[in-house]
Amino acid sequence: SQKIEQNSEALNIQEGKTATLTCNYTNYSPAYLQWYRQDPGRGPVFLLLIRENEKEKRKERLKVTFDTTLKQSLFHITASQPADSATYLCALADSNYQLIWGAGTKLIIKP
Amino acid sequence: GAGVSQTPSNKVTEKGKYVELRCDPISGHTALYWYRQSLGQGPEFLIYFQGTGAADDSGLPNDRFFAVRPEGSVSTLKIQRTERGDSAVYLCASARGENTEAFFGQGTRLTVV
Repeated sequence: SQKIEQNSEALNIQEGKTATLTCNYTNYSPAYLQWYRQDPGRGPVFLLLIRENEKEKRKERLKVTFDTTLKQSLFHITASQPADSATYLCALADSNYQLIWGAGTKLIIKP
Repeated sequence: GAGVSQTPSNKVTEKGKYVELRCDPISGHTALYWYRQSLGQGPEFLIYFQGTGAADDSGLPNDRFFAVRPEGSVSTLKIQRTERGDSAVYLCASARGENTEAFFGQGTRLTVV
């Protein structure tokens, strides 16, 4: 069956360092992958989309990589700030272009 | 409004009752999605509308769940004979079209007691 895995344990990072979150998938050949941020009591907020033919995408302090051989995406936040603390979700487009979501990784940036 | 609006923000209902959850998408967005999210989990797809029609309802868990979007804008998710297992946050999202960035509402927290 199709499966998306994100680190279930919270990731604690010191302010100013780079935070790296992982999204692994199996039994998929997704057309694209998206990363979202979700704060408590709020809906997810779109951050970045990367297509299967793209290796890397950047937006300000954010960088996403997509390795279709390893079936893995990495999400990086450079110069992290306490305001970056949130849960980060990855989502893959299935064959019908519906998003299948990971459970998310909680990121905590400590001052 | 500027964003996706969902009402009510919280709903407590008794087991067996009927509930309706409303979603006002961003004006002009043709794609509308319903998801539900349990604590510690990612959103689970329920149904996708393109305009007025349900393009994909494969995520609806059973025939107690139904959704409409009669004029291609506001959508209502309807749950009959609610069960305690239906308790979750129900999220609505809209997008300009298929395969584009989705904008989410804040969700409706449904609690079935």
